[in-house]
Amino acid sequence: SQTIHQWPATLVQPVGSPLSLECTVEGTSNPNLYWYRQAAGRGLQLLFYSVGIGQISSEVPQNLSASRPQDRQFILSSKKLLLSDSGFYLCAWTPALEETQYFGPGTRLLVL
Amino acid sequence: QKEVEQDPGPLSVPEGAIVSLNCTYSNSAFQYFMWYRQYSRKGPELLMYTYSSGNKEDGRFTAQVDKSSKYISLFIRDSQPSDSATYLCAMRKAGGFKTIFGAGTRLFVKA
Repeated sequence: SQTIHQWPATLVQPVGSPLSLECTVEGTSNPNLYWYRQAAGRGLQLLFYSVGIGQISSEVPQNLSASRPQDRQFILSSKKLLLSDSGFYLCAWTPALEETQYFGPGTRLLVL
Repeated sequence: QKEVEQDPGPLSVPEGAIVSLNCTYSNSAFQYFMWYRQYSRKGPELLMYTYSSGNKEDGRFTAQVDKSSKYISLFIRDSQPSDSATYLCAMRKAGGFKTIFGAGTRLFVKA
């Protein structure tokens, strides 16, 4: 069966510290991968998406970056976190040749 | 104008009521329509998926798409307290890489 893993579940980081969030998908090949951020009480904001290894499209020009080193691995990074980076980060995937999108459990990030 | 409009609520109903959740959209190129349920502090869960116009039923849930009016609905019959969550509509163009989400409607079902 197909599953998606995200970790950590919760993270508290000081302003100016680096960030690395990881997402992996199991049971599928060539998925489209996505990073979203959801601020408290707000909708989903698409940050990055990837249609293949090494292919990253950015939707939001901020201090965040993404990488896809392997087919089923998607990483969200920052060199220096800002207070405004706090939020609920969700990884999602779409199976190859399909239109439905599935979400991971999310990482709650609090920048202090 | 947003591509997808969804009333954020909150919507409060008694247990057993029929719930109607709705979204409107502006882009006639959308072909795939989805509804997600999101519990507090959890990732969204795909509830219903519909291609083009028509109805789809799954248990207590019915999804309707009216492409002529650019209007989609989710009906929940015999609502339960466990249905209390935020419901997000979503849509996608054929062959597109991005899914466009509504802001979500918060639903409370009172026992």
